[in-house]
Amino acid sequence: SAVISQKPSRDICQRGTSLTIQCQVDSQVTMMFWYRQQPGQSLTLIATANQGSEATYESGFVIDKFPISRPNLTFSTLTVSNMSPEDSSIYLCSVGQSNNSPLHFGNGTRLTVT
Amino acid sequence: LAKTTQPISMDSYEGQEVNITCSHNNIATNDYITWYQQFPSQGPRFIIQGYKTKVTNEVASLFIPADRKSSTLSLPRVSLSDTAVYYCLSSFSGGYNKLIFGAGTRLAVHP
Repeated sequence: SAVISQKPSRDICQRGTSLTIQCQVDSQVTMMFWYRQQPGQSLTLIATANQGSEATYESGFVIDKFPISRPNLTFSTLTVSNMSPEDSSIYLCSVGQSNNSPLHFGNGTRLTVT
Repeated sequence: LAKTTQPISMDSYEGQEVNITCSHNNIATNDYITWYQQFPSQGPRFIIQGYKTKVTNEVASLFIPADRKSSTLSLPRVSLSDTAVYYCLSSFSGGYNKLIFGAGTRLAVHP
């Protein structure tokens, strides 16, 4: 399975600032997704990162708050903009090779906003 | 995407077999059933995937009856290291792999 690296692994940020999270895969992948997991909760899908075009956002998530880039088939970034303490969460990147293959996840970025 | 329902928590002891049942009454024809395991501070890890009948790998078995309205993940002879959250999901095979997570089952294995 693909090796997924997320950077940073954790960060503490001040409210009002922005943080960009990187997801690097060691092979080309068809699908890339970004999830959020709040403490003790399940995962919530933020958006599908589309290569060469705008990301597809799930209900409750907007591009102005969570801009996403995917310049190629191995890399994507998620920015958490104008952060507030409610954005404190774990942000996870997941990738899929083909429609019938299972998704694989990175270990996430633990974000704390003070 | 079909919604899945599974027990919030389960307890077991080392060496026992654990069966976690998941309900997916509205599963679509093209949906697969996929199970993930998640440890604290890690991303979910794929365990097993199936469409119907029985699938077995080195980690677990997955039983899906003919009507596909439920499935059972079977973990043989659990150890303390199997303490984790287990997620049952239905995934659309024909278009893309978007996964919608439910609450998961928190399994605690005791000595």
